[in-house]
Amino acid sequence: AQSVTQLGSHVSVSEGALVLLRCNYSSSVPPYLFWYVQYPNQGLQLLLKYTTGATLVKGINGFEAEFKKSETSFHLTKPSAHMSDAAEYFCALGGGTASKLTFGTGTRLQVTL
Amino acid sequence: SAVISQKPSRDICQRGTSLTIQCQVDSQVTMMFWYRQQPGQSLTLIATANQGSEATYESGFVIDKFPISRPNLTFSTLTVSNMSPEDSSIYLCSVGGVSDTEAFFGQGTRLTVV
Repeated sequence: AQSVTQLGSHVSVSEGALVLLRCNYSSSVPPYLFWYVQYPNQGLQLLLKYTTGATLVKGINGFEAEFKKSETSFHLTKPSAHMSDAAEYFCALGGGTASKLTFGTGTRLQVTL
Repeated sequence: SAVISQKPSRDICQRGTSLTIQCQVDSQVTMMFWYRQQPGQSLTLIATANQGSEATYESGFVIDKFPISRPNLTFSTLTVSNMSPEDSSIYLCSVGGVSDTEAFFGQGTRLTVV
């Protein structure tokens, strides 16, 4: 069975501070891992993905994530938060596929002045 | 990439009625997926729709409540039957890319049952 755990349903950071959103996964097959962002009343937007190859992946809007197999983690980071980063972030897992996904419970990021 | 159009984008329905949501993709795809996002919650996979065969439902979802059609490789419908307020959610259609390295999502159908 596959599962995704996002630690922290709400994260608050100051503008300009480091953003760290945590994601751990469990998968019996090589995982495909994704981070999606959802702005209020909008659809899902792909931030970045890991399928194979380089374990440090860079995405849009300055976000990056590192796949750590030994820790079964895929944490999302951004060096400096911007007010426009305030949104809901979902980590998602595909078991050897990008098509059929298991989503984490989401983390709402708040950015304060 | 794939462009997905969902209709309707939102609806308010009376309890006990049914709503059919349409999903149109701009390219042929083997599998289409239907997800539900309940208010303040994450996405949960309802079913996988393959062209020419019965949809495969995830645990907790049944065909009588969520019948799915897949008449061709670019189109699918999801019906939410005999609706109750608990069915108020966003319903999303999704497909995989050709190289299966990314999933693409429609904008969703925001359903409110009153």
